[in-house]
Amino acid sequence: VVMTQSPLSLPVTLGQPASISCKSSQSLVYSDGNTYLSWFQQRPGQSPRRLIYKVSNRDSGVPDRFSGSGSGTDFTLKISRVEADDVGVYYCMEGTHWPPTFGQGTKVEIK
Amino acid sequence: EVQLVESGGGLVQPGGSLILSCSASGFTFSSFAMHWVRQTPGKGLQHLSTISSDSTRKYYVDSVRGRFTVSRDNSKNTLYLQMDSLRTEDTAVYYCVKEAGIPSQFDYWGQGTLVTVSS
Repeated sequence: VVMTQSPLSLPVTLGQPASISCKSSQSLVYSDGNTYLSWFQQRPGQSPRRLIYKVSNRDSGVPDRFSGSGSGTDFTLKISRVEADDVGVYYCMEGTHWPPTFGQGTKVEIK
Repeated sequence: EVQLVESGGGLVQPGGSLILSCSASGFTFSSFAMHWVRQTPGKGLQHLSTISSDSTRKYYVDSVRGRFTVSRDNSKNTLYLQMDSLRTEDTAVYYCVKEAGIPSQFDYWGQGTLVTVSS
């Protein structure tokens, strides 16, 4: 499975929304009916941190300005109002097929 | 608090070997499958290997199968990655990752350890 993110670079004004697209080459619906698409945030100098799992479920401690949506092969991560703390690279990852596969990453920076 | 601490990275020559360790705490290590993922500037994040909670099942991606060996010691809460026949393209930051109780779902990552393969 190939995971394709866009854009690869996303300059955003503080307080403005941001949206990242992730498209998979195959459907991510598993045989159990779940869709195993996650989003990770990697801040500069840090390891990845999971934000969203199963398309739209926020991890504990993740601000509600982050939201995930989508189905089948098309998915989106949205940040409703970008804060300085959100700078970093965002990755989607599919866990439906073997091996788990990551997108190329989208670098979010402040204009 | 879940903590995963990798160690063992460093500089090694092509063809050489290295053993990475990952010390886990803050959860019942023996109940969860674990993974190794690496990150390179060129290829991004790449899943390498999975080991089941009881070590009965081990999986590898094609690029490392036959060269890398994953293992764990549940009595020591430690995950290992034995890396042999290292190539320059294995240069990366290696992460130990905890599975979230559902296959191929990653919830916690270690801080990573840098492996540099160079002569």
